[in-house]
Amino acid sequence: NAGVTQTPKFQVLKTGQSMTLQCAQDMNHNSMYWYRQDPGMGLRLIYYSASEGTTDKGEVPNGYNVSRLNKREFSLRLESAAPSQTSVYFCASSVKQGNTEAFFGQGTRLTVV
Amino acid sequence: QKEVEQDPGPLSVPEGAIVSLNCTYSNSAFQYFMWYRQYSRKGPELLMYTYSSGNKEDGRFTAQVDKSSKYISLFIRDSQPSDSATYLCAMSAEYSSASKIIFGSGTRLSIRP
Repeated sequence: NAGVTQTPKFQVLKTGQSMTLQCAQDMNHNSMYWYRQDPGMGLRLIYYSASEGTTDKGEVPNGYNVSRLNKREFSLRLESAAPSQTSVYFCASSVKQGNTEAFFGQGTRLTVV
Repeated sequence: QKEVEQDPGPLSVPEGAIVSLNCTYSNSAFQYFMWYRQYSRKGPELLMYTYSSGNKEDGRFTAQVDKSSKYISLFIRDSQPSDSATYLCAMSAEYSSASKIIFGSGTRLSIRP
């Protein structure tokens, strides 16, 4: 049972480049989330998907887009990367929106130069 | 002012000591309180979850909530080197919306053998 799997684990981008972070969960969870974690800032919600077919903005959505491809997969896209998007990105899932136990992936360390 | 404040540490204590980790918050609507543990280069994992005020014990861990003071604590008894990690408090006002979980910035804990 893999839980929540994120790819890639590390990435370096140049300013203006685009990329997609992939996330898949095998726990049959309905809700999925993308967070970023920065020193001193804690985890901040970027986007979430309460259920397949729905997505909503979180606290810091600017510069990102998401796609809930199916129940298992939730991707995060940076269309034109900026140095301010250098961060560690975590995908998480929970049984349903409102279930406080979120299961996290191992993170993607992104550096934008 | 952040909604949730947490001392970033680092906190270093000898093995076997009692550890006290704390968070303060400003939103009196918070009712659900969580502690996540995050090992280096890993995703957070849920450690403890409490609803409203009071104490909850799980093995060597005790979570305490004082809503009148807007203060929550996590106590670790008989601390072990394997407890070395970053501990994030998290809280939510609405059980119906996990998207509104607010995380603290985390306290880095080191247990010296």
